[in-house]
Amino acid sequence: DIQMTQSPSSLSASVGDRVTITCRASQNINTYLHWYQQKPGKAPKFLIYAASSLQKGVPSRFSGSGSGTDFTLTISSLQPEDSATYYCQQSYMIPYTFGQGTKLELK
Amino acid sequence: QVQLQESGPGLVKPSETLYLTCSVSGASISSYYWSWIRQPPGKGLEWIGYISYSGRTDYSPSLNSRVTISVDTSKNQFSLRLISVTAADTAVYYCARGPMATLSSSLDCWGQGTLVSVSS
Repeated sequence: DIQMTQSPSSLSASVGDRVTITCRASQNINTYLHWYQQKPGKAPKFLIYAASSLQKGVPSRFSGSGSGTDFTLTISSLQPEDSATYYCQQSYMIPYTFGQGTKLELK
Repeated sequence: QVQLQESGPGLVKPSETLYLTCSVSGASISSYYWSWIRQPPGKGLEWIGYISYSGRTDYSPSLNSRVTISVDTSKNQFSLRLISVTAADTAVYYCARGPMATLSSSLDCWGQGTLVSVSS
């Protein structure tokens, strides 16, 4: 299986901050990397696909980059509603696997 | 607008079979791939498997011997069957659309999830 490792596991930031979350794959996954946002008690919400393509309706403050094994999710100016856990997921190879999640809290 | 809704028993006894259904509205079940994902309480996401519009399935190797995903096109539903459950199968189970070929095989729409507890 391809292992997905996110860092940090948790972070705290203030409204307006620029936030970056990293996801590393255990092998080359090209750009078959996607990001999801999950709030407590809710289903994951699809944010970004193919490493850097923003899903329709997702605010432009979210962006993604990377290819191969190293990827980042960036929130350019943190908003209160961005408090959530973020997961990366690879679809390069079966079984699809997720990172362990990064919990983002507001200060 | 595509909507997915999971349904099924919230409590299953150990060694018995877990059976969940996902009802889809706003999209034809025959036009896409459909997946099941689960999340143990307080933990991360685990992909279980998918079924294609042609009925092809792929499962996680860790569950392959116990899981079956099927589709009922007449009802626009797909289902998950997991046999010989244990406490380790306690989780919120999500159904989702995908992998989506046009979105690099991502999962673009998710159901709200249903908690299944395994306990005697």
